[in-house]
Amino acid sequence: QQPVQSPQAVILREGEDAVINCSSSKALYSVHWYRQKHGEAPVFLMILLKGGEQKGHEKISASFNEKKQQSSLYLTASQLSYSGTYFCGVIIQGAQKLVFGQGTRLTINP
Amino acid sequence: GAGVSQSPRYKVAKRGQDVALRCDPISGHVSLFWYQQALGQGPEFLTYFQNEAQLDKSGLPSDRFFAERPEGSVSTLKIQRTQQEDSAVYLCASSQGTTGFDTGELFFGEGSRLTVL
Repeated sequence: QQPVQSPQAVILREGEDAVINCSSSKALYSVHWYRQKHGEAPVFLMILLKGGEQKGHEKISASFNEKKQQSSLYLTASQLSYSGTYFCGVIIQGAQKLVFGQGTRLTINP
Repeated sequence: GAGVSQSPRYKVAKRGQDVALRCDPISGHVSLFWYQQALGQGPEFLTYFQNEAQLDKSGLPSDRFFAERPEGSVSTLKIQRTQQEDSAVYLCASSQGTTGFDTGELFFGEGSRLTVL
């Protein structure tokens, strides 16, 4: 049931763009994105709901392809503060728990 | 406080000892989750409470793990007869609503880092 994220790691220069993908083998209610910096708690970024509604904040966008059970997180014009590990979490239809992927480590260099 | 509070932040236990980890969620939050995060891995679901009811404990790795939330606020995760493979960061998260389709933002605590020697 754990979603699969790709890539596992990305290294960028400040100002470059990145895309992080998340896919599930099960039909989903929603996809959630979190960012975790080293030694800190995961912090909420965005929720994408079945039906197309998108909620979030910060200058980061995402998409949710319900037919393919896939989501992508888009980080444009990356800033140093974007560094961290990004986790997608999914809620499978009929379930109540949020299950996280293994994470994508993003490093932004000056 | 305004956020989710976990204690202790760090715990070192000898193999075979029992440990108790506490989570104080944001006041009024209905849902409470426990996750286990090994080094370099994503948080792995352990258990979920809606108020005082434990609705899902499918992620608890063995019967040595036990969680409770008796009054629908503070929760305790207890691990009996700890083993080295229990070493991890244990994260607690709470959310305002119930889960399923309406799950909103989860607010995480900073975690309790357990090291079993």
